Amino acid sequence: QVQLQESGPGLVKPSGTLSLTCAVSGGSISSSNWWSWVRQSPGKGLEWIGEIYHTGSTNYNPSLVSRVTISIDKSKNQFSLKVNSVTAADTAVYYCARSFNGWLISWGQGTLVTVSS
Amino acid sequence: QSVLTQPPSVSGAPGQRVTISCTGSSSNIGAGYDVHWYQQLPGTAPKLLIYRNVNRPSGVPDRFSGSKSGTSASLAITGLQAEDEADYYCQSYDNSLSVVFGGGTKLTVL
Repeated sequence: QVQLQESGPGLVKPSGTLSLTCAVSGGSISSSNWWSWVRQSPGKGLEWIGEIYHTGSTNYNPSLVSRVTISIDKSKNQFSLKVNSVTAADTAVYYCARSFNGWLISWGQGTLVTVSS
Repeated sequence: QSVLTQPPSVSGAPGQRVTISCTGSSSNIGAGYDVHWYQQLPGTAPKLLIYRNVNRPSGVPDRFSGSKSGTSASLAITGLQAEDEADYYCQSYDNSLSVVFGGGTKLTVL
C-alpha cells in the first residue's frame, strides 16, 4: 500500500521560507492521484493548502496562493511544499496526503513546523 | 471560521447512536459536491472514514454511515464504542476553487 512520509526542518524563522518534502513509497507518484498538503494549527482544525498532479498541474487554497508553491520530483518519487514569508500563524502540523476524485485516501504521519526566532 | 459548519462536540454512552452534522451552502455541498468524512484519533493523522457521501473504505466498520441532503451532510455512528472517541471532520469542495473542511467535532464516549 502507498505510504507517505513528510520531512523537513521543524523550526523556521519569521519571514523565512518553510520547505517540506513528502516521500511516496509503495506506489508511483505518476499514478492517477493528486498529491496534497494539509495543515493543522495546534488545537485547531484542518486547512487544505494545495495539490499537484504528476503532470505538474497544481491547485492552491486561494487564501495561501500568493505564498505557496508545490512541486513534484518524479525521479525521486516525492513532492514538496514551500511557504514563503512565514509568520507564527503558519505554525502547524503539516500533512501530505494522496487524493483521488476529491477525497484524501491516505495521509502521512505529519510533521510539526514551528515559526519562531 | 470554517466554510463547513460542524458542532464543536457531541457525546454519547457506549452502545448509543450519535450523529454529527456538516452544514454548507449553495457554493459547496448545495452545489452538488461530494462530502467526505475523516476520523482523527488523539495524536494521529486523520483517516478516511466515508467518501463520496455514503461509501466506506475497506476496513471501516458498518457502524459508521454517511448521508447528504441539500446543503448538509451527516455522519452517524451506531453502537458507540470507547475507541470511537476522536475528532471528526467533514470535507467538500467549494466554488471558490478550494477543498474545504469543517471545523471538526470532538466525540466523547461517556
